[in-house]
Amino acid sequence: GENVEQHPSTLSVQEGDSAVIKCTYSDSASNYFPWYKQELGKRPQLIIDIRSNVGEKKDQRIAVTLNKTAKHFSLHITETQPEDSAVYFCAASRGGATNKLIFGTGTLLAVQP
Amino acid sequence: EAQVTQNPRYLITVTGKKLTVTCSQNMNHEYMSWYRQDPGLGLRQIYYSMNVEVTDKGDVPEGYKVSRKEKRNFPLILESPSPNQTSLYFCASRPQGDTWSNQPQHFGDGTRLSIL
Repeated sequence: GENVEQHPSTLSVQEGDSAVIKCTYSDSASNYFPWYKQELGKRPQLIIDIRSNVGEKKDQRIAVTLNKTAKHFSLHITETQPEDSAVYFCAASRGGATNKLIFGTGTLLAVQP
Repeated sequence: EAQVTQNPRYLITVTGKKLTVTCSQNMNHEYMSWYRQDPGLGLRQIYYSMNVEVTDKGDVPEGYKVSRKEKRNFPLILESPSPNQTSLYFCASRPQGDTWSNQPQHFGDGTRLSIL
């Protein structure tokens, strides 16, 4: 069945360093790839998304890249800050009315001050 | 304020005692969905609804029921809860969108259920 693999499961970086989280999807018809950030005890919140007609999207310190051929996409956070510490989930969807989001298993990012 | 509201936020109950978790959204979204979140497994879809009176199973529907009698409400029903349903539950909603333009989902604050 469809699945999304996410790596690493935990990531610890020093404040100011960059962090990269990678996801691989199995359904080649997927065309929408959101990333969610979930702080401890809070709801998942969308931080950035990308559609399959572009290869990269950037929003301040956050960027997402997509390689459709290899079926993988990555989240890049530059100049990390302690408030970036959270669990990050990638997801993939083939769109359409049902728009079923398949989530990765999450990455716990810890930014050390 | 646009939001998805779940109740209760926390519930401890016993095996076999029917319970309902309510979900309500004020954004006039057509699509609503329930997920459970378990350590190491991410978010898994339980049920979803594309509109009023239209519901369908997600990946882990066993032991759950839903209904969609009104557009804004999408309750999750556990007829006979069991300990393996102890989890963190999220309701989410989004506009229907078209084939290409996927719409991001908005999540509620979550409901932590403990079934003893």
